Amino acid sequence: DGGITQSPKYLFRKEGQNVTLSCEQNLNHDAMYWYRQDPGQGLRLIYYSQIVNDFQKGDIAEGYSVSREKKESFPLTVTSAQKNPTAFYLCASSIGGQYYEQYFGPGTRLTVT
Amino acid sequence: KNQVEQSPQSLIILEGKNCTLQCNYTVSPFSNLRWYKQDTGRGPVSLTIMTFSENTKSNGRYTATLDADTKQSSLHITASQLSDSASYICVVSQYGNKLVFGAGTILRVKS
Repeated sequence: DGGITQSPKYLFRKEGQNVTLSCEQNLNHDAMYWYRQDPGQGLRLIYYSQIVNDFQKGDIAEGYSVSREKKESFPLTVTSAQKNPTAFYLCASSIGGQYYEQYFGPGTRLTVT
Repeated sequence: KNQVEQSPQSLIILEGKNCTLQCNYTVSPFSNLRWYKQDTGRGPVSLTIMTFSENTKSNGRYTATLDADTKQSSLHITASQLSDSASYICVVSQYGNKLVFGAGTILRVKS
């Protein structure tokens, strides 16, 4: 069953704690992306990776970090430096660059109190 | 500034009726335009992707149109169903690999 998975579905953390969101895909896609979605706003790109061991900052990378050690996995860490981390986080993948169709995971809703 | 604006912000229609959602963009240079459907609390799912040369594209009861001259697109939903209730997101790909997302139109279909 091919697809892109994110876990957990809901995540609760105290302010000041780092938290890591998981994203896995078995579509054999080279590129992977992390987006943040806030009510009433379009998706905003946090980080993206076009190949293993390489990634680039998106429009709102401050307070976030990523790694791409395996083609299938692209975890996102929300650090305590992120001023407003409560949001819905979406992971996506595509066969190549952003020109190609992106397939999204089910999302993780992070709440920081 | 590269922007994608969608209208209306929200819409309520009766089951079985048709509706049209609008997308205006200022993204340049243009590469392609996509429509996604996003159910509440889920990830977006692609409905259509159109390049510069495509004026219309259908996916079942969904038909997207593109006028690259006026930089406008529309998504027409025919014979709406309760399951069409969702947010519909217009996304424009800028040549050189950048995506610009609209804020979405929230559609509610009532019985």
